Amino acid sequence: EVQLLESGGDLVQPGASLRLSCAASGFTFRSYAMSWVRQAPGKGLEWVSGISGSGASTYYADSVNGRFTISRDNSKNTLYLQMNSLRAEDTAVYFCAKGEMEFQLPNDSWGQGTLVTVSS
Amino acid sequence: SYEVTQPLSASVALGQTARLTCGGNNIDSKNVHWYQQKPGQAPVLVISRNGNRPSGIPERFSGSNSGNTATLTISRAEAGDEADYYCQVWDSSTVLFGGGTELTVL
Repeated sequence: EVQLLESGGDLVQPGASLRLSCAASGFTFRSYAMSWVRQAPGKGLEWVSGISGSGASTYYADSVNGRFTISRDNSKNTLYLQMNSLRAEDTAVYFCAKGEMEFQLPNDSWGQGTLVTVSS
Repeated sequence: SYEVTQPLSASVALGQTARLTCGGNNIDSKNVHWYQQKPGQAPVLVISRNGNRPSGIPERFSGSNSGNTATLTISRAEAGDEADYYCQVWDSSTVLFGGGTELTVL
């Protein structure tokens, strides 16, 4: 059974940094693309970033490009999202999601999410 | 940049058929994926690549994609189908979600 467990969400001030983690199990992690998707309170889903299985290819939404960095440690079966220069509009539940071997989509498994709140 | 649009809300009577749309320019040239999200829960993939149903998803869920509109069809609607539904596509090395449709089962 695929399991994705996010952690690292917190209340931080604007301009701060935070690193999210997603621990994966139940599948051959290194073979699959992974993504981060967020959902602001009461709003829809917003894709944030994606990474290939090897980590060689990364993709970002314009809203986070240059501030966020996606990475993975395939030896630890863990996905990361380093978030710098956080803004109030980054407040959201952040989900990690599993893609396919060859493609980023579809996302066939999701974690339960971790809450990031950016507020002074 | 490419955009995908969904109606904010839709309703269906219990036991009837709901058709949820996802619009985009020549969207039939793309693979459209659909997700169901209930309050406080993570999204669940219900249709992949326009019309493929993942294991565990009831046959009542089906999808199609033609011209500028992709459609998620839910037959014999049940109270448990009440949820937000999102379409998703890949375009120019980014992922786009529609704004989501809130489905109410009457």
